[in-house]
Amino acid sequence: DVKVTQSSRYLVKRTGEKVFLECVQDMDHENMFWYRQDPGLGLRLIYFSYDVKMKEKGDIPEGYSVSREKKERFSLILESASTNQTSMYLCASTRQGALGNTIYFGEGSWLTVV
Amino acid sequence: GEDVEQSLFLSVREGDSSVINCTYTDSSSTYLYWYKQEPGAGLQLLTYIFSNMDMKQDQRLTVLLNKKDKHLSLRIADTQTGDSAIYFCAEGSGNTPLVFGKGTRLSVIA
Repeated sequence: DVKVTQSSRYLVKRTGEKVFLECVQDMDHENMFWYRQDPGLGLRLIYFSYDVKMKEKGDIPEGYSVSREKKERFSLILESASTNQTSMYLCASTRQGALGNTIYFGEGSWLTVV
Repeated sequence: GEDVEQSLFLSVREGDSSVINCTYTDSSSTYLYWYKQEPGAGLQLLTYIFSNMDMKQDQRLTVLLNKKDKHLSLRIADTQTGDSAIYFCAEGSGNTPLVFGKGTRLSVIA
């Protein structure tokens, strides 16, 4: 079974803290994505990566950065967490050139910033 | 930019059919998708349809595509309580990230 694993399911952080959300996939996928999901707003794309050390901004990159040092791992970084970044974060991966029928999602990371 | 719209809530009685509707703006979309999200979980692909098709049926699921009106629907026959979830419509082409709708929360009343 393909797995996209988000190591932290539930986190509570203080305003101003640096936060790392880790995502690992085991299918040798080239493409990886970070979304945030908020009620009534659906999924919004933060950043994505098509290869190691490559990154592209999505629709809402402000306040976030990413790191892709290894093919299987894609990290989302909140340099200085703020309360408006309280949300559910979803990681996804897919093969290069693949269409949506092979996109796999992680279970999500619930982040609360207090 | 591309946009995908869907209503936020739908409530049906167990055993009835559910119809979830979606409209999209990108006429170059190659595939259109339906994803299901159960509480506390990520998204799982339910079904998809290629843009040159009008209909696709898979057991209790029927997808209808009206490309002229850019309208996509998902019909779930004999809806069960286990179908309660959020359903996302998405569109995509080539290697670009999918564009998702805001999700329709389906509540099934026993």
